[in-house]
Amino acid sequence: GNSVTQMEGPVTLSEEAFLTINCTYTATGYPSLFWYVQYPGEGLQLLLKATKADDKGSNKGFEATYRKETTSFHLEKGSVQVSDSAVYFCALSDRDTGFQKLVFGTGTRLLVSP
Amino acid sequence: DGGITQSPKYLFRKEGQNVTLSCEQNLNHDAMYWYRQDPGQGLRLIYYSQIVNDFQKGDIAEGYSVSREKKESFPLTVTSAQKNPTAFYLCASSISSGVAGSEQYFGPGTRLTVT
Repeated sequence: GNSVTQMEGPVTLSEEAFLTINCTYTATGYPSLFWYVQYPGEGLQLLLKATKADDKGSNKGFEATYRKETTSFHLEKGSVQVSDSAVYFCALSDRDTGFQKLVFGTGTRLLVSP
Repeated sequence: DGGITQSPKYLFRKEGQNVTLSCEQNLNHDAMYWYRQDPGQGLRLIYYSQIVNDFQKGDIAEGYSVSREKKESFPLTVTSAQKNPTAFYLCASSISSGVAGSEQYFGPGTRLTVT
């Protein structure tokens, strides 16, 4: 079945450091890929998405490129802030079925210190 | 403001009692979803509904029930048959469940504790 694998956290960085959170996937067909962010005690918010190979999603300084050849969708940010501290979830949806089911990774906690 | 509301934010129940979690959306979305989140794990799908008066089981439906009598409402009942009900429950909606790439919008969640 479809699955998403994320790097284990927590990822601990100092403010203004470069961030990479790795995400790889296994899927049949051509899934859409998403990054969601969850701040403490809250629901998930969509951060960015990509719907086909080589697409780059971007939002709030975060970027991720849909790499079909490596089945990856790594999240990057050039300079993190304390306010970026949260849990980040990579997810895919399978477009070959009539129902768009989201499959989530286990999440990666990011801690940014001043 | 459009969005999804879940109530209450925190819920405490005794073992053996059924409990219903509320989810309302004013986004005019057709599809709604219930997920369960446990510490250190991703989200797991409990139930989903593509249209009013229709719903399907997700990956972990045992011990849960839902209804979809109105487009904007999708309540989840955690029954006494659910062996490990303590968790964070998230409701979501999307324009349509069949459109590739359509995002899901999430509510703030309800943290249920059963003792």
